[in-house]
Amino acid sequence: AQSVTQLDSQVPVFEEAPVELRCNYSSSVSVYLFWYVQYPNQGLQLLLKYLSGSTLVKGINGFEAEFNKSQTSFHLRKPSVHISDTAEYFCAVRTGGGNKLTFGTGTQLKVEL
Amino acid sequence: GAVVSQHPSRVICKSGTSVKIECRSLDFQATTMFWYRQFPKQSLMLMATSNEGSKATYEQGVEKDKFLINHASLTLSTLTVTSAHPEDSSFYICSGQLGEKLFFGSGTQLSVL
Repeated sequence: AQSVTQLDSQVPVFEEAPVELRCNYSSSVSVYLFWYVQYPNQGLQLLLKYLSGSTLVKGINGFEAEFNKSQTSFHLRKPSVHISDTAEYFCAVRTGGGNKLTFGTGTQLKVEL
Repeated sequence: GAVVSQHPSRVICKSGTSVKIECRSLDFQATTMFWYRQFPKQSLMLMATSNEGSKATYEQGVEKDKFLINHASLTLSTLTVTSAHPEDSSFYICSGQLGEKLFFGSGTQLSVL
C-alpha cells in the first residue's frame, strides 16, 4: 500500500518570497504523483501531475514540482508567491490503473503582506 | 473546465437522523464518482467508488449499510449517512471522473449533535 506524508501542516510566507511545500511518499511500485490546491469554499483543483518523462513538472499559477525517485519526494515550489496563493495544498499518489488516490494531510499556505 | 456541484456545503443534524449529500457533474457525464471523508488534521480518505447503474465499491472499514451511495444517472451521485452519530461528523467530498481527470466538489461539512 502507498502512503503520502506532508510534514508541514502550515507554512507562513511573505508575499514575493519563494516557497517549498514538502511531500514524501512510500510505495513498492511505480507511482503517479499529483498536487491539488483547495481555495476557501471551493473544490480541489489539480495544480500539476507527474506521470512519466521529465522529473521537473510545471503546473498552473507558476508552481512546479520535482519528482525525486531516490528520495521518494515530490516537493512543490514557487519562486515568488502572491496573496492569492493562500490555500490548502494536497499531495496525492496513485498507483496502477484507475483513479484511486491516496492523499497527504495537506499543507496550509498562508501568504502575508 | 468541468464542474462538480456538491450540496449542501454545511449541514447540522441531530443524532439518529439521516443526511443526504448530492454530487452533480454540471457539464460532463461522470461514469465514476468517488466519495472521500476528511477528519480534522487528517488526509482525505476514500470511502467508496460508485459507477453509474451499479453498486458502489466500499473501502475496507466503511460500512455500506451506513453510508448509502446511489449513482442512478451519469450526472448525479448521492451519499446518505443513515442514523448519523457524532463520530460521523466530518468533511465529505465527492469527485467525478472524466477520462483520466478528476473534478472535485467543494465538500460538505457534516456536524452531528
